[in-house]
Amino acid sequence: GAGVSQSPSNKVTEKGKDVELRCDPISGHTALYWYRQSLGQGLEFLIYFQGNSAPDKSGLPSDRFSAERTGGSVSTLTIQRTQQEDSAVYLCASSFQGQGIDTQYFGPGTRLTVL
Amino acid sequence: KNEVEQSPQNLTAQEGEFITINCSYSVGISALHWLQQHPGGGIVSLFMLSSGKKKHGRLIATINIQEKHSSLHITASHPRDSAVYICAVRFGNDMRFGAGTRLTVKP
Repeated sequence: GAGVSQSPSNKVTEKGKDVELRCDPISGHTALYWYRQSLGQGLEFLIYFQGNSAPDKSGLPSDRFSAERTGGSVSTLTIQRTQQEDSAVYLCASSFQGQGIDTQYFGPGTRLTVL
Repeated sequence: KNEVEQSPQNLTAQEGEFITINCSYSVGISALHWLQQHPGGGIVSLFMLSSGKKKHGRLIATINIQEKHSSLHITASHPRDSAVYICAVRFGNDMRFGAGTRLTVKP
């Protein structure tokens, strides 16, 4: 079946512009996670959606970052007034059960470059 | 101090060697994940452990909850195993990641 998909695969933007990154999880997965990986750095947790519950936003680095998940499926990560330090690969993952206690399936990522 | 420590940071092996990658964590967790990131950047989940041991093909993962330690073993390593291996734990309400171990297996 189809895996987790993300779009766009690459995004180049100018400092100060807003960007939207999209994630389509595996159908039937209740949990969706966003992570980012900066160049040469490890993975960093951003936000977690579980079903219809309020998302866990504890990992968002600033109030310029927000995310939503419509209808318990597709998710959009929005970065407002992008800064150069936002340049990273943004990864989405989904899992059937959530809570970080079952296998997560990762998308291919969106490489964001802020000039 | 990072809550999740991996060792070694880099590892070079000859094809066929037995590989061990270690992960230590400093907090109570509900689950530990081993991930594999290929040079192209794609991430694959290898194992999710909450206790004991799991095996999949040439890969074996173990966890000792009391010692807060997990190991990933690769038997009969192959050049296609070359990747970054990442340990991740469920910590509080989020996931924390080790810095990764870059494995290179030479033919």
